[in-house]
Amino acid sequence: DTAVSQTPKYLVTQMGNDKSIKCEQNLGHDTMYWYKQDSKKFLKIMFSYNNKELIINETVPNRFSPKSPDKAHLNLHINSLELGDSAVYFCASSQEPRGSYEQYFGPGTRLTVT
Amino acid sequence: DQQVKQNSPSLSVQEGRISILNCDYTNSMFDYFLWYKKYPAEGPTFLISISSIKDKNEDGRFTVFLNKSAKHLSLHIVPSQPGDSAVYFCAASGGTYKYIFGTGTRLKVLA
Repeated sequence: DTAVSQTPKYLVTQMGNDKSIKCEQNLGHDTMYWYKQDSKKFLKIMFSYNNKELIINETVPNRFSPKSPDKAHLNLHINSLELGDSAVYFCASSQEPRGSYEQYFGPGTRLTVT
Repeated sequence: DQQVKQNSPSLSVQEGRISILNCDYTNSMFDYFLWYKKYPAEGPTFLISISSIKDKNEDGRFTVFLNKSAKHLSLHIVPSQPGDSAVYFCAASGGTYKYIFGTGTRLKVLA
């Protein structure tokens, strides 16, 4: 039973398209996150939601829009995809947003924009 | 500005020996540190953590040491096993809701 799942695992699309990545956690956690791991392997936080409310919104182009329909789901929608959006996107969750709570990561979605 | 740095991109160790992975940070506000392990095509998994009020935390073969004055932490794996071969990330948090991750060190344990 996967704790944090993401779909799809791989996504290949053309520039200018709009795409969504879905994330679900069955751990009963209150907080969910989206991270981006680029070609240099930096793992950078993009967004965080706590109880469906946005609490972290890093400097991310507004083409990226997270949506949390409930505590167990955090989806990422990307408009007008660009070559530089190619990366691995990880969803994660934690019991609470405080730093003392470890995060559980999904398997990642490898996005390739051509 | 990279606040959490792992200066060794890779490390090779013989099976049974000690693996030491290092991490440096610049922000004195960080008060909680974590290590994650990542296998290819999987997400990072939590390994061990340490609060800034401690200087050592141990869990089985894994020990994390924190030197606050040097803003340095290290992960010791003893004895190293081939299954430990993975990328190890350190992460730091403090004062905000987010973690700052290092760029990772690829550990290869040679049988």
